[in-house]
Amino acid sequence: AQSVTQLGSHVSVSEGALVLLRCNYSSSVPPYLFWYVQYPNQGLQLLLKYTTGATLVKGINGFEAEFKKSETSFHLTKPSAHMSDAAEYFCAVSDRGKLIFGQGTELSVKP
Amino acid sequence: DTGVSQNPRHKITKRGQNVTFRCDPISEHNRLYWYRQTLGQGPEFLTYFQNEAQLEKSRLLSDRFSAERPKGSFSTLEIQRTEQGDSAMYLCASSSGGGRYEQYFGPGTRLTVT
Repeated sequence: AQSVTQLGSHVSVSEGALVLLRCNYSSSVPPYLFWYVQYPNQGLQLLLKYTTGATLVKGINGFEAEFKKSETSFHLTKPSAHMSDAAEYFCAVSDRGKLIFGQGTELSVKP
Repeated sequence: DTGVSQNPRHKITKRGQNVTFRCDPISEHNRLYWYRQTLGQGPEFLTYFQNEAQLEKSRLLSDRFSAERPKGSFSTLEIQRTEQGDSAMYLCASSSGGGRYEQYFGPGTRLTVT
């Protein structure tokens, strides 16, 4: 069965610093992988997805993620954090259509 | 494209009462999903529809839960005889296909059972 592990339930960075949120997956088939962001009391918004092709995926708001099959990872990065990036981030893998989510990483951005 | 909408946004009910939530997906999407999210956790899959057919239900979906999508458009999720453990955010999402297609989420319905 597919599963997702997000390392670090809380990550804190300074404004302008690199953001790195870690995600490892387990899948018996080539995975479809997604990153979503959730602001307080709101639904989830898609940041980016990997299906096939280029392993470096660019998303909205300056985020990108790299699919590494050998490491079963799909880490999310952003070169320079902004205060508005403070939110909860979820990595997910598709399991025959339904999404299996990690437990989430809360990102805090310090001024 | 008006996005996925959910009603109500908040529901407070007493234990033992029945509640019903509604989800209106993006109009051209044939797939509709329900998830449940508790505090500090990622969303957990409950069930999904392709058009009006309910194709999969999670073991999380006890007999007290029922979902419908009668004409392949909006969907309802009903919880009978609510329990305090049902308190959660209920999220609806829609997509134009399975697998590699992204799901678009609604704002959720927050249920509090007292």
